Amino acid sequence: GQQLNQSPQSMFIQEGEDVSMNCTSSSIFNTWLWYKQDPGEGPVLLIALYKAGELTSNGRLTAQFGITRKDSFLNISASIPSDVGIYFCAGRRIYNQGGKLIFGQGTELSVKP
Amino acid sequence: GAGVSQSPSNKVTEKGKDVELRCDPISGHTALYWYRQSLGQGLEFLIYFQGNSAPDKSGLPSDRFSAERTGGSVSTLTIQRTQQEDSAVYLCASSLGPSGGGEQYFGPGTRLTVT
Repeated sequence: GQQLNQSPQSMFIQEGEDVSMNCTSSSIFNTWLWYKQDPGEGPVLLIALYKAGELTSNGRLTAQFGITRKDSFLNISASIPSDVGIYFCAGRRIYNQGGKLIFGQGTELSVKP
Repeated sequence: GAGVSQSPSNKVTEKGKDVELRCDPISGHTALYWYRQSLGQGLEFLIYFQGNSAPDKSGLPSDRFSAERTGGSVSTLTIQRTQQEDSAVYLCASSLGPSGGGEQYFGPGTRLTVT
């Protein structure tokens, strides 16, 4: 099925560094969501965005809804070991039938203490 | 409050057998979704229930897959005549519905292995 283009696929960073990842689409979205998934668990919602240009923070996490409605990014500041996991972007398209989400392929984050 | 729960957490079955996976959504959530996640991949939409409306089945990969939602709450995903390519984690999510802004909350998933 259709997926968003999420990059990078993986990141290996040092504790304390900032992280940035993004998602792009050829279609317009009216909602962007960012999730984190730990091994053996379901995805956990981090941030939800509903308006073009919207910038929202949740602790050390900041996400933005792109002006064109076709992209979004997630930043993590001052990373810590518990940030390790797979981060997924997800979007809901305008005129999308039902409320189904389209997911990116994920960004796997590794943090070295 | 209680989140989305799924059972079983793990299921190993032989090729050709039927399996049933269960999802209990968050109380009060009118929308329920099933997704499939293959190893190292993102989530693939399968089916969506909203209240009493006809479900959106557009993501079901074949007619071996079906789902029901009884009483607007619990849902069961059934896979008939399982194949090895059905091996994946099956995730259920629920949300408040169209007025809820699209925030979906996921259960822990059922890991299905077809041998």
